[in-house]
Amino acid sequence: GAGVSQSPRYKVAKRGQDVALRCDPISGHVSLFWYQQALGQGPEFLTYFQNEAQLDKSGLPSDRFFAERPEGSVSTLKIQRTQQEDSAVYLCASSTGGAGSDTQYFGPGTRLTVL
Amino acid sequence: GNSVTQMEGPVTLSEEAFLTINCTYTATGYPSLFWYVQYPGEGLQLLLKATKADDKGSNKGFEATYRKETTSFHLEKGSVQVSDSAVYFCALHTNAGKSTFGDGTTLTVKP
Repeated sequence: GAGVSQSPRYKVAKRGQDVALRCDPISGHVSLFWYQQALGQGPEFLTYFQNEAQLDKSGLPSDRFFAERPEGSVSTLKIQRTQQEDSAVYLCASSTGGAGSDTQYFGPGTRLTVL
Repeated sequence: GNSVTQMEGPVTLSEEAFLTINCTYTATGYPSLFWYVQYPGEGLQLLLKATKADDKGSNKGFEATYRKETTSFHLEKGSVQVSDSAVYFCALHTNAGKSTFGDGTTLTVKP
């Protein structure tokens, strides 16, 4: 079956531009996660949804970052007025339920480069 | 907050060598512990997991035991293959949703 998909796979933005990154989770998965991964580091938690409810957004680095999942399926991570320090790979993951024991299934990521 | 510390890499081994990648954690409550692997050109995928103390996760010849007393989840394999070359991430997941990952260890296995 289809896994988690993300689009675009690569995005180049000029500093100050707004970007929108899309995540299509595995069908039926309740939980959805966004991570930011800098080069040579592990994924850093950004935010977590259970269905359409955003239960934790403590990892969003600033109010320029906004995520939504309005119908409990597809999610969009939006970054306003991009800065060079936003350059990273943005990973989306989904899992069947809301338990910590649930495996997260990762998408291929979107590589954002801010010039 | 929670944290995961894993052995710095890169690690280079010859085929059939024994592998250990150390992982220790700090967490409140009772997290589940995971090893994820990222093969060249691919996304992160589950390697193995353990959901409570003393559980052993295993897959593809890899093993790790959830040790609460030492707050560790070390990854081991008795005989590595060239195809095991990848980046390995130790992670903890909580019921609250927030997950914490280590910085990854790059393993290269030479024939």
